[in-house]
Amino acid sequence: EAQVTQNPRYLITVTGKKLTVTCSQNMNHEYMSWYRQDPGLGLRQIYYSMNVEATDKGDVPEGYKVSRKEKRNFPLILESPSPNQTSLYFCASSLWLAGTTDTQYFGPGTRLTVL
Amino acid sequence: QKEVEQNSGPLSVPEGAIASLNCTYSDRVSQSFFWYRQYSGKSPELIMSIYSNGDKEDGRFTAQLNKASQYVSLLIRDSQPSDSATYLCAVNDGTASKLTFGTGTRLQVTL
Repeated sequence: EAQVTQNPRYLITVTGKKLTVTCSQNMNHEYMSWYRQDPGLGLRQIYYSMNVEATDKGDVPEGYKVSRKEKRNFPLILESPSPNQTSLYFCASSLWLAGTTDTQYFGPGTRLTVL
Repeated sequence: QKEVEQNSGPLSVPEGAIASLNCTYSDRVSQSFFWYRQYSGKSPELIMSIYSNGDKEDGRFTAQLNKASQYVSLLIRDSQPSDSATYLCAVNDGTASKLTFGTGTRLQVTL
């Protein structure tokens, strides 16, 4: 089954404790992206990657890191989480066609709470 | 700042009626347009994509695009209670490496 998976699905942590949210896709998509979703603010892009070893900042990258060492995986790293990073996080992937992303397929989401 | 605007709702329609959801966008060079449905606490799932002016139909759903007026709409015919969700409009201008999402319209289909 074609899918994007994320782990963990739920996470409660404390301020400053480093964490990683994993994302993996099995559709051989070149493009992957991380979003956060907050009430009233919609989906905001954190980072994206056009291919292995090619990443770039989205609209709200502060406090986050990413890496793309393999095509299928795109982990999101919070080196020192803060309460304002409490949010619902989605990973998405798509084909990379003529230098642009197209239909994006979303993972199930990770609900993160930072105390 | 490229913007995608949607009325937040809730839009309430009776079961069996047509629901009309609208979206406007600011970037005239936008080329790809998407409607996603999102149930509370779940991930967005694609309903329709549209790339050319006019209508595109898929089952009970019809997407309409008017690039001159910079709007895209989604019609849901024979609305069902299971259609109650938030509908997200997303736009790609073809030069940016991302989709820009609206904040969504919440649809309520009442019995």
